[in-house]
Amino acid sequence: GQSLEQPSEVTAVEGAIVQINCTYQTSGFYGLSWYQQHDGGAPTFLSYNALDGLEETGRFSSFLSRSDSYGYLLLQELQMKDSASYFCAVRDMDSNYQLIWGAGTKLIIKP
Amino acid sequence: GAVVSQHPSWVICKSGTSVKIECRSLDFQATTMFWYRQFPKQSLMLMATSNEGSKATYEQGVEKDKFLINHASLTLSTLTVTSAHPEDSSFYICSARVPGGEKLFFGSGTQLSVL
Repeated sequence: GQSLEQPSEVTAVEGAIVQINCTYQTSGFYGLSWYQQHDGGAPTFLSYNALDGLEETGRFSSFLSRSDSYGYLLLQELQMKDSASYFCAVRDMDSNYQLIWGAGTKLIIKP
Repeated sequence: GAVVSQHPSWVICKSGTSVKIECRSLDFQATTMFWYRQFPKQSLMLMATSNEGSKATYEQGVEKDKFLINHASLTLSTLTVTSAHPEDSSFYICSARVPGGEKLFFGSGTQLSVL
């Protein structure tokens, strides 16, 4: 079957760096996306990786290793406003290119 | 960036009534829109894919007669929860992609509470 695994919760300190991992099992991998969702809000797009390597966008970076079926989201210089849930999602060719979502990682940031 | 507008943000209704949720792409044309449902502290669950000018594609386990989807124009899709019951209480979110893009743009979501 198709599945994604990510930690349910991660705690970090303001100003620090945190990495949220995502491993996936899909038959027709097309690309890996990351979304941020604050409580009560809608998800917002953070990044997309289709090829191996690191994509950097400001304080956020995302990494993909297709051979390991693994990716991560790296958040640097953490700010209190980064407290949110982070979802990895895989676009799957065998599911009509639909997104398959992970369960989400709640990031708790302490001062 | 592209904007998807969704309303209402909150709906409280009595059991047995129907509720319509609208989703509009404001600055791009969306031939396809996606409707999601999310329970507290859980992930997004795709309910259906709304296709402009044709029937929606429903995910397994989603009752098409209960969740009516209409995508009459390139910028508007509606979800109607018919004869709502308390178990339909949830956060409903629509989304769309700019043609040729990878990024999903989401509406602000609708919190439905059925009494």
